[in-house]
Amino acid sequence: SAVISQKPSRDICQRGTSLTIQCQVDSQVTMMFWYRQQPGQSLTLIATANQGSEATYESGFVIDKFPISRPNLTFSTLTVSNMSPEDSSIYLCSVERRTEAFFGQGTRLTVV
Amino acid sequence: DQQVKQNSPSLSVQEGRISILNCDYTNSMFDYFLWYKKYPAEGPTFLISISSIKDKNEDGRFTVFLNKSAKHLSLHIVPSQPGDSAVYFCAASADNAGNMLTFGGGTRLMVKP
Repeated sequence: SAVISQKPSRDICQRGTSLTIQCQVDSQVTMMFWYRQQPGQSLTLIATANQGSEATYESGFVIDKFPISRPNLTFSTLTVSNMSPEDSSIYLCSVERRTEAFFGQGTRLTVV
Repeated sequence: DQQVKQNSPSLSVQEGRISILNCDYTNSMFDYFLWYKKYPAEGPTFLISISSIKDKNEDGRFTVFLNKSAKHLSLHIVPSQPGDSAVYFCAASADNAGNMLTFGGGTRLMVKP
């Protein structure tokens, strides 16, 4: 199994500001994934973060809005930039090992 | 285009009875399927998985059935308990390693005492 520590667990932010979410894994993993779950919707993959290279973004997500860092094999950050109320969501980091996926506890973001 | 669909957004079941959650997929390349359980304000937790080489996998009260010809899988919970009340997501992968999961929309299960 993998233990993922994600923080903050929740935050309320003013529109126009930015929030950085951190994920720390208790073991080295090649790929880390960032998801968003908007109210009433399923998990949506934002991007895949590989250590030592730029993140790969899914359609509809861009680096300027969601910059990601992956400085080593156990850590990653996702920044939600220039936030608007539409960014209010739960954000999750995830790692996948063999046949299982493990998720952080999630960050509940509310933009006011 | 939703490749993984859970057509029932919610399901209500009496405690002790069977809960059946369904999931359909369209991508024939999917060969590995997982079920996750999610409580409010928490990340999803892995429940059970099945590879396309099997049609059934059982773990305690949870059984997953896979019908490849129908591109359909289901999760059975027997007997259902109030603590099972949560949102259940099915997910699929095309590389038999569980990477790059595609999730369904989730089904909210409510188990009534």
